[in-house]
Amino acid sequence: SAVISQKPSRDICQRGTSLTIQCQVDSQVTMMFWYRQQPGQSLTLIATANQGSEATYESGFVIDKFPISRPNLTFSTLTVSNMSPEDSSIYLCSVLFGGGQHHFGPGTRLLVL
Amino acid sequence: DQQVKQNSPSLSVQEGRISILNCDYTNSMFDYFLWYKKYPAEGPTFLISISSIKDKNEDGRFTVFLNKSAKHLSLHIVPSQPGDSAVYFCAAYYNAGNNRKLIWGLGTSLAVNP
Repeated sequence: SAVISQKPSRDICQRGTSLTIQCQVDSQVTMMFWYRQQPGQSLTLIATANQGSEATYESGFVIDKFPISRPNLTFSTLTVSNMSPEDSSIYLCSVLFGGGQHHFGPGTRLLVL
Repeated sequence: DQQVKQNSPSLSVQEGRISILNCDYTNSMFDYFLWYKKYPAEGPTFLISISSIKDKNEDGRFTVFLNKSAKHLSLHIVPSQPGDSAVYFCAAYYNAGNNRKLIWGLGTSLAVNP
């Protein structure tokens, strides 16, 4: 398994601003994932962050809204841009280990006013 | 349409009894199933998984049963403990062209009462 940390753990932001969420893993991993869990909803994959290439976004998510960086094999950032109240959510990063098992960070709770 | 459904949003059981959490899926293309547990303010943690070639997998107090004909799986926790109180997510993989997609259920909140 891996130890995954996220910063910040929570934030309250004003609409129209942007927030960058950091994800740090204690071991090198090829693929990192960013998920969102909106209130009352399940986990939804935003994008897959691959080191050395552009992130791959899922349907309904675009790079302009959720730019992702992956500068090395242990770190990634997700930016939530031009935020609106609909972006209020828990944002989770995860890594994939053998057996198709995702290991998740603790999450970032975002409230947009 | 690929969906994973957890139709019970909540479940309450007595400590020491069995907890049974259910999950249904809509498509026979799903081939690998996982259960995760989530405590408040934490990310989900992997519990147990099962491949579609099996019908049962056991790990300590946790057993997952897969009924492919019914497109149904269940997680049994025996005996249930107060520390098991959490939200349980069912998730399943299917092949979508060149990619494997992981679809999540909405979760079931389990409360184990002392």
